Amino acid sequence: EAQVTQNPRYLITVTGKKLTVTCSQNMNHEYMSWYRQDPGLGLRQIYYSMNVEVTDKGDVPEGYKVSRKEKRNFPLILESPSPNQTSLYFCASSFKGLDYYEQYFGPGTRLTVT
Amino acid sequence: GENVEQHPSTLSVQEGDSAVIKCTYSDSASNYFPWYKQELGKGPQLIIDIRSNVGEKKDQRIAVTLNKTAKHFSLHITETQPEDSAVYFCAASRNQGGKLIFGQGTELSVKP
Repeated sequence: EAQVTQNPRYLITVTGKKLTVTCSQNMNHEYMSWYRQDPGLGLRQIYYSMNVEVTDKGDVPEGYKVSRKEKRNFPLILESPSPNQTSLYFCASSFKGLDYYEQYFGPGTRLTVT
Repeated sequence: GENVEQHPSTLSVQEGDSAVIKCTYSDSASNYFPWYKQELGKGPQLIIDIRSNVGEKKDQRIAVTLNKTAKHFSLHITETQPEDSAVYFCAASRNQGGKLIFGQGTELSVKP
């Protein structure tokens, strides 16, 4: 089954404790992206990657890091989480080419930072 | 910067009625406009999309219209059913296989 998986689905942590949210896709997609969803703000892009070893900032990158060492994986790293990073996070992936391709979203990770 | 405004934020209709959600975008270079449906506890899922060279597209009970001059696009759902209840997001993009700018979302409730 074609899918994007994220782990963990729920996470409660404390300020300053480093954490990683994993994302993996099995569709051989070049493009992967992280979004955060907050009430009244929709989804905002944090980081994206066009292919292996190619990453770039989205609209709200502060406080986040990513890496793309393999095509299928795109982990989101919070080196020193703060309460304003409490949010619902989604990973997405799609093909990249000369046309527009559907972006497939993972099930989400609900993060609470106290 | 790039921005997409979506209205209304909440919409309640009776089963069988129509629902309309409207979006306005700011980036005139946008040329791809997808709509996503997000059910409770799940990630957004594409339900329909439209490209800038098309004014209208229909898929069974859902349709999308685009007015490039006014930079408006809308989602129309006819004969609504309780399973249409969800949060709907519009989005705009100017890059193939790239960044989506999302609207704020509309929570649709279809009452039986």
